[in-house]
Amino acid sequence: GAGVSQSPSNKVTEKGKDVELRCDPISGHTALYWYRQSLGQGLEFLIYFQGNSAPDKSGLPSDRFSAERTGGSVSTLTIQRTQQEDSAVYLCASSHGAGVNIQYFGAGTRLSVL
Amino acid sequence: DAKTTQPTSMDCAEGRAANLPCNHSTISGNEYVYWYRQIHSQGPQYIIHGLKNNETNEMASLIITEDRKSSTLILPHATLRDTAVYYCIVKIIQGAQKLVFGQGTRLTINP
Repeated sequence: GAGVSQSPSNKVTEKGKDVELRCDPISGHTALYWYRQSLGQGLEFLIYFQGNSAPDKSGLPSDRFSAERTGGSVSTLTIQRTQQEDSAVYLCASSHGAGVNIQYFGAGTRLSVL
Repeated sequence: DAKTTQPTSMDCAEGRAANLPCNHSTISGNEYVYWYRQIHSQGPQYIIHGLKNNETNEMASLIITEDRKSSTLILPHATLRDTAVYYCIVKIIQGAQKLVFGQGTRLTINP
């Protein structure tokens, strides 16, 4: 498939553990975004990467959250010392990064912190 | 980015046209109107976008008022698969920009 791929699709973890969520963007897309959606809530921006520019981290809720994008392709969102309020669906999107800049979303990773 | 206002929910009969309104009275001259939708348990899906002219694609039509302060997304022949939350978003077009999602409109298509 040529879409945005996220793994795992579901993740259950215990409070205090670290988790890593992975996103494979569409090939050739220079921009990559992370959002999260808590139960019954809207989509909340977390961070985005655009080419070689410094990422926009303005949406990260705390310093427990970090993200990397290696080689301008795959991205990993890491949550350290998870808390129950981190339970949400984490969505990744990618785009060409210019022009109309339509964002294409993956199916998300559902994180449950027990 | 300009704030948008949408009704919380709407219903439409299958086969009829679904008209989803959006108010964006503070829109700036360089901001476009985008529509995305999110079907249950899926990621958001792009539908259509426009600046000031009406737009149509294989999914929908977008009607933007002359003063650009409001717009309407039209699904011409709604099907059950169109049941979703529809988001109206206003943002500038240049470069990579985050999307700011409001609460959207929950559209239910009834058989």
